[in-house]
Amino acid sequence: DSGVTQTPKHLITATGQRVTLRCSPRSGDLSVYWYQQSLDQGLQFLIQYYNGEERAKGNILERFSAQQFPDLHSELNLSSLELGDSALYFCASSTGTVRPSTDTQYFGPGTRLTVL
Amino acid sequence: AQKVTQAQTEISVVEKEDVTLDCVYETRDTTYYLFWYKQPPSGELVFLIRRNSFDEQNEISGRYSWNFQKSTSSFNFTITASQVVDSAVYFCALSEANTNAGKSTFGDGTTLTVKP
Repeated sequence: DSGVTQTPKHLITATGQRVTLRCSPRSGDLSVYWYQQSLDQGLQFLIQYYNGEERAKGNILERFSAQQFPDLHSELNLSSLELGDSALYFCASSTGTVRPSTDTQYFGPGTRLTVL
Repeated sequence: AQKVTQAQTEISVVEKEDVTLDCVYETRDTTYYLFWYKQPPSGELVFLIRRNSFDEQNEISGRYSWNFQKSTSSFNFTITASQVVDSAVYFCALSEANTNAGKSTFGDGTTLTVKP
């Protein structure tokens, strides 16, 4: 158990809908990362937050957004969902040093999103 | 731009055999970090090891060992006396330290099947 929790575990929804995925980092971790794992694209970095502020953006679509709240939990919002958004979405957290890229990231169990 | 290549898509071995998973990376940065993660059939990503670019010393942890060679940009992972529980997808990842962002680039993964 990495100490990172994600809810829900599974989500099934229809095209055009909007969903919110939630992540609670390990106790004391300030950085949160979101990744998408799909069959075609593999594991892709989406976005990183550090202590409430956006730190880096990866291959995140404009239909997707995220935020990190004062209690450090994070939410990933996916809107206008398409079939191709079906994937496993991972959240990871790290301690968040001056150079977050040096931190080891610990992953949550993931949320499996199915868009029908 | 950084890139991680895991040329072996799938490997199948019989229990107790040794197996080496290859990882070759590309980066322009002189300071970077390399990681290995395991993704068992249950789906979660499990951190195995982190290595920084300054430390080329090989590491051994039980049946696992890692061979980091900067000259060939490789960070290979060997499992000695493999067991059925080692069956999983293994990902190699690279994080450049020269940014304040925790962007990790993952390889496509190697699926290891250990047969009894």
